[in-house]
Amino acid sequence: TQLLEQSPQFLSIQEGENLTVYCNSSSVFSSLQWYRQEPGEGPVLLVTVVTGGEVKKLKRLTFQFGDARKDSSLHITAAQPGDTGLYLCAGALESTGNQFYFGTGTSLTVIP
Amino acid sequence: DTEVTQTPKHLVMGMTNKKSLKCEQHMGHRAMYWYKQKAKKPPELMFVYSYEKLSINESVPSRFSPECPNSSLLNLHLHALQPEDSALYLCASSQRRQGNPYGYTFGSGTRLTVV
Repeated sequence: TQLLEQSPQFLSIQEGENLTVYCNSSSVFSSLQWYRQEPGEGPVLLVTVVTGGEVKKLKRLTFQFGDARKDSSLHITAAQPGDTGLYLCAGALESTGNQFYFGTGTSLTVIP
Repeated sequence: DTEVTQTPKHLVMGMTNKKSLKCEQHMGHRAMYWYKQKAKKPPELMFVYSYEKLSINESVPSRFSPECPNSSLLNLHLHALQPEDSALYLCASSQRRQGNPYGYTFGSGTRLTVV
Protein backbone atom coordinates (compact mmCIF):
# COMPACT_ATOMS: atom_id res chain seq x y z
CA THR A 1 0.00 0.00 0.00
CA GLN A 2 1.38 3.37 -1.08
CA LEU A 3 1.31 6.25 1.38
CA LEU A 4 0.42 8.76 -1.33
CA GLU A 5 -1.96 7.69 -4.08
CA GLN A 6 -2.17 9.76 -7.24
CA SER A 7 -5.04 9.74 -9.72
CA PRO A 8 -5.35 9.31 -12.54
CA GLN A 9 -2.35 7.08 -13.22
CA PHE A 10 -2.36 7.91 -16.94
CA LEU A 11 -3.93 10.86 -18.73
CA SER A 12 -3.97 11.69 -22.44
CA ILE A 13 -5.63 14.95 -23.48
CA GLN A 14 -5.78 17.37 -26.40
CA GLU A 15 -3.89 20.64 -26.37
CA GLY A 16 -5.99 23.40 -24.82
CA GLU A 17 -7.93 21.18 -22.41
CA ASN A 18 -7.89 21.57 -18.63
CA LEU A 19 -6.98 18.78 -16.20
CA THR A 20 -6.62 18.04 -12.52
CA VAL A 21 -4.31 15.53 -10.85
CA TYR A 22 -4.97 14.38 -7.29
CA CYS A 23 -2.60 13.24 -4.56
CA ASN A 24 -4.35 11.60 -1.59
CA SER A 25 -3.36 10.07 1.72
CA SER A 26 -4.78 9.24 5.13
CA SER A 27 -1.63 10.65 6.79
CA VAL A 28 -0.78 14.23 7.71
CA PHE A 29 2.14 15.88 5.94
CA SER A 30 4.14 18.88 7.12
CA SER A 31 4.79 19.82 3.50
CA LEU A 32 4.08 18.54 0.05
CA GLN A 33 5.94 19.01 -3.20
CA TRP A 34 5.01 18.55 -6.85
CA TYR A 35 7.62 17.53 -9.41
CA ARG A 36 7.52 17.15 -13.20
CA GLN A 37 9.82 14.66 -14.89
CA GLU A 38 10.49 14.53 -18.61
CA PRO A 39 11.69 11.29 -20.24
CA GLY A 40 15.37 10.60 -19.53
CA GLU A 41 15.67 13.44 -17.02
CA GLY A 42 15.41 13.79 -13.27
CA PRO A 43 12.32 15.22 -11.56
CA VAL A 44 12.20 19.01 -11.36
CA LEU A 45 10.62 20.66 -8.33
CA LEU A 46 7.59 22.78 -9.31
CA VAL A 47 6.24 23.92 -5.95
CA THR A 48 6.25 23.31 -2.20
CA VAL A 49 3.12 23.87 -0.10
CA VAL A 50 3.31 23.88 3.68
CA THR A 51 0.09 25.43 5.07
CA GLY A 52 -3.28 23.67 5.10
CA GLY A 53 -5.58 25.27 2.52
CA GLU A 54 -2.68 26.95 0.75
CA VAL A 55 -3.06 27.69 -2.98
CA LYS A 56 -0.09 28.50 -5.19
CA LYS A 57 -0.09 29.46 -8.85
CA LEU A 58 2.72 28.96 -11.34
CA LYS A 59 1.59 30.39 -14.71
CA ARG A 60 -1.08 27.90 -15.92
CA LEU A 61 -0.54 25.53 -12.98
CA THR A 62 -2.52 25.84 -9.73
CA PHE A 63 -1.54 23.80 -6.67
CA GLN A 64 -3.69 23.32 -3.59
CA PHE A 65 -2.87 21.75 -0.23
CA GLY A 66 -5.86 20.28 1.60
CA ASP A 67 -7.08 21.93 4.79
CA ALA A 68 -6.11 18.87 6.84
CA ARG A 69 -2.74 18.55 5.04
CA LYS A 70 -3.60 15.03 3.86
CA ASP A 71 -4.09 15.69 0.17
CA SER A 72 -3.19 17.99 -2.69
CA SER A 73 -4.25 18.76 -6.25
CA LEU A 74 -2.57 20.12 -9.36
CA HIS A 75 -4.75 21.85 -11.94
CA ILE A 76 -3.42 22.73 -15.40
CA THR A 77 -5.31 25.23 -17.53
CA ALA A 78 -5.08 25.11 -21.34
CA ALA A 79 -2.58 22.26 -21.44
CA GLN A 80 0.27 22.45 -23.93
CA PRO A 81 2.49 19.69 -25.40
CA GLY A 82 5.34 21.01 -23.24
CA ASP A 83 3.35 19.95 -20.17
CA THR A 84 3.83 16.29 -21.14
CA GLY A 85 5.66 14.30 -18.48
CA LEU A 86 5.42 12.31 -15.28
CA TYR A 87 3.96 14.33 -12.41
CA LEU A 88 4.96 13.25 -8.92
CA CYS A 89 3.77 14.48 -5.56
CA ALA A 90 6.02 13.93 -2.55
CA GLY A 91 5.23 14.56 1.08
CA ALA A 92 7.26 15.07 4.24
CA LEU A 93 5.52 12.83 6.80
CA GLU A 94 5.11 14.50 10.20
CA SER A 95 5.09 11.29 12.20
CA THR A 96 8.47 10.14 10.80
CA GLY A 97 10.41 13.36 11.40
CA ASN A 98 9.68 14.61 7.90
CA GLN A 99 10.95 11.66 5.88
CA PHE A 100 9.89 12.14 2.26
CA TYR A 101 7.56 9.78 0.42
CA PHE A 102 6.74 9.89 -3.29
CA GLY A 103 3.28 9.44 -4.74
CA THR A 104 2.45 6.76 -7.31
CA GLY A 105 2.84 9.18 -10.25
CA THR A 106 0.64 10.50 -13.07
CA SER A 107 1.84 10.18 -16.65
CA LEU A 108 0.42 13.05 -18.74
CA THR A 109 0.47 13.22 -22.53
CA VAL A 110 -0.76 16.39 -24.25
CA ILE A 111 -1.52 15.79 -27.92
CA PRO A 112 -0.96 18.74 -30.29
CA ASP B 1 25.45 26.63 -8.52
CA THR B 2 21.98 25.09 -8.10
CA GLU B 3 22.62 21.79 -9.82
CA VAL B 4 23.20 18.17 -9.02
CA THR B 5 25.54 16.67 -11.61
CA GLN B 6 25.52 12.95 -12.35
CA THR B 7 27.99 11.01 -14.48
CA PRO B 8 27.88 9.09 -16.68
CA LYS B 9 24.55 9.85 -18.33
CA HIS B 10 24.36 6.39 -19.89
CA LEU B 11 26.09 3.15 -18.83
CA VAL B 12 25.97 -0.34 -20.31
CA MET B 13 27.65 -3.02 -18.24
CA GLY B 14 27.95 -6.78 -18.19
CA MET B 15 26.92 -8.86 -15.22
CA THR B 16 30.56 -9.46 -14.23
CA ASN B 17 31.67 -5.81 -14.51
CA LYS B 18 32.45 -3.33 -11.75
CA LYS B 19 31.44 0.27 -12.39
CA SER B 20 30.67 3.42 -10.38
CA LEU B 21 28.08 6.16 -10.66
CA LYS B 22 29.07 9.64 -9.49
CA CYS B 23 27.05 12.54 -8.13
CA GLU B 24 28.23 16.05 -7.19
CA GLN B 25 26.54 19.12 -5.70
CA HIS B 26 27.92 22.46 -4.52
CA MET B 27 24.81 23.92 -2.88
CA GLY B 28 25.99 23.17 0.65
CA HIS B 29 23.26 20.54 1.04
CA ARG B 30 23.99 18.11 3.86
CA ALA B 31 21.68 15.27 2.81
CA MET B 32 22.20 13.22 -0.35
CA TYR B 33 20.16 10.37 -1.76
CA TRP B 34 20.26 7.54 -4.29
CA TYR B 35 17.01 6.54 -5.96
CA LYS B 36 16.21 3.83 -8.52
CA GLN B 37 13.43 4.49 -11.03
CA LYS B 38 11.73 2.23 -13.55
CA ALA B 39 9.85 3.69 -16.52
CA LYS B 40 6.77 5.76 -15.59
CA LYS B 41 7.06 4.70 -11.94
CA PRO B 42 7.97 6.88 -8.94
CA PRO B 43 11.56 6.86 -7.70
CA GLU B 44 12.35 4.20 -5.07
CA LEU B 45 14.66 5.24 -2.25
CA MET B 46 17.88 3.23 -1.97
CA PHE B 47 20.24 5.12 0.35
CA VAL B 48 20.32 8.34 2.37
CA TYR B 49 23.45 10.10 3.57
CA SER B 50 23.12 12.79 6.21
CA TYR B 51 26.22 14.81 7.09
CA GLU B 52 28.30 12.25 5.14
CA LYS B 53 27.06 9.33 7.22
CA LEU B 54 24.81 6.59 5.89
CA SER B 55 21.50 7.01 7.69
CA ILE B 56 19.10 4.90 5.63
CA ASN B 57 19.67 1.72 3.61
CA GLU B 58 16.35 0.52 2.24
CA SER B 59 17.32 -3.18 2.21
CA VAL B 60 19.31 -2.75 -0.99
CA PRO B 61 21.28 -5.81 -2.22
CA SER B 62 25.01 -5.75 -1.44
CA ARG B 63 25.85 -5.58 -5.15
CA PHE B 64 25.08 -1.85 -4.72
CA SER B 65 27.59 -0.09 -2.46
CA PRO B 66 27.27 3.63 -1.68
CA GLU B 67 30.10 5.93 -0.65
CA CYS B 68 30.17 9.57 0.43
CA PRO B 69 33.79 10.81 0.27
CA ASN B 70 32.86 14.37 1.31
CA SER B 71 29.86 16.67 1.64
CA SER B 72 29.75 17.39 -2.10
CA LEU B 73 30.23 13.92 -3.56
CA LEU B 74 28.22 10.72 -3.59
CA ASN B 75 29.19 7.52 -5.38
CA LEU B 76 27.35 4.29 -6.07
CA HIS B 77 29.60 1.31 -6.73
CA LEU B 78 28.10 -1.48 -8.82
CA HIS B 79 29.28 -5.10 -8.96
CA ALA B 80 27.75 -8.31 -10.32
CA LEU B 81 24.45 -6.66 -11.27
CA GLN B 82 21.49 -8.47 -12.77
CA PRO B 83 19.47 -7.48 -15.86
CA GLU B 84 16.56 -6.48 -13.59
CA ASP B 85 18.80 -3.80 -12.10
CA SER B 86 18.54 -1.88 -15.38
CA ALA B 87 16.88 1.43 -14.54
CA LEU B 88 17.38 5.18 -14.22
CA TYR B 89 19.50 5.90 -11.13
CA LEU B 90 18.85 9.31 -9.65
CA CYS B 91 20.90 11.29 -7.18
CA ALA B 92 19.24 14.03 -5.13
CA SER B 93 20.23 16.45 -2.42
CA SER B 94 18.42 18.57 0.15
CA GLN B 95 19.40 21.12 2.77
CA ARG B 96 19.05 18.52 5.50
CA ARG B 97 17.27 15.21 5.89
CA GLN B 98 14.80 15.84 8.67
CA GLY B 99 12.68 18.87 9.29
CA ASN B 100 13.16 19.91 5.70
CA PRO B 101 10.07 21.18 3.93
CA TYR B 102 11.84 22.43 0.85
CA GLY B 103 12.06 19.34 -1.33
CA TYR B 104 14.88 17.84 -3.30
CA THR B 105 17.13 18.89 -6.12
CA PHE B 106 17.58 15.97 -8.49
CA GLY B 107 20.30 15.21 -10.99
CA SER B 108 19.46 14.15 -14.54
CA GLY B 109 20.16 10.53 -13.72
CA THR B 110 22.26 7.70 -15.10
CA ARG B 111 20.47 5.34 -17.48
CA LEU B 112 21.94 1.93 -16.58
CA THR B 113 21.55 -1.13 -18.80
CA VAL B 114 22.84 -4.49 -17.55
CA VAL B 115 23.46 -7.04 -20.29
